[in-house]
Amino acid sequence: DQQVKQNSPSLSVQEGRISILNCDYTNSMFDYFLWYKKYPAEGPTFLISISSIKDKNEDGRFTVFLNKSAKHLSLHIVPSQPGDSAVYFCAATSLNDNNDMRFGAGTRLTVKP
Amino acid sequence: EAEVAQSPRYKITEKSQAVAFWCDPISGHATLYWYRQILGQGPELLVQFQDESVVDDSQLPKDRFSAERLKGVDSTLKIQPAELGDSAMYLCASSLFPRQGSGYTFGSGTRLTVV
Repeated sequence: DQQVKQNSPSLSVQEGRISILNCDYTNSMFDYFLWYKKYPAEGPTFLISISSIKDKNEDGRFTVFLNKSAKHLSLHIVPSQPGDSAVYFCAATSLNDNNDMRFGAGTRLTVKP
Repeated sequence: EAEVAQSPRYKITEKSQAVAFWCDPISGHATLYWYRQILGQGPELLVQFQDESVVDDSQLPKDRFSAERLKGVDSTLKIQPAELGDSAMYLCASSLFPRQGSGYTFGSGTRLTVV
């Protein structure tokens, strides 16, 4: 069962523009959401997270927005840089439950110079 | 910066053969996870250890997969016999505490190809 969905397998943007990566989830028990970034031949690295008590979390060029009523979150990268080109995974978990972290299928972002 | 070490990086094996992967977590991390990532999908948890004990192996195909962490430090994941559908990236991760979300550190993974 796909509880976390990233419906766009790929996204291409121009350097300097905004990248918006989207993620939807179905399990209303999820209360903590994360984005991981993965370069080829490397493991995923944690990028940014958000708790369900917030609707926005910002870290430098990266901002994650959470819309609980729509069960939707998005990652904004502004401005996008060529080094941001990677696969981005959305993940969700319930910190109070014994559920493991569920990952989406990933979105491959390409930032063109 | 501390890393999760995994070996081998790549493994090609024939179906019905046995294969094993090794993981050395970050020193002091009590929780260790094995994930499987099939191409085009996100990582899926296979097994979670707390020290030397398995706390979650509900998604581990136990007829062919086994995992151990005998001294609560490094861990081995074994597949016997390997099947074509086992071709995937096998990722190890560790954290200080279980289900810490942002505290997971992943290794670079082992890319398994079963032919």
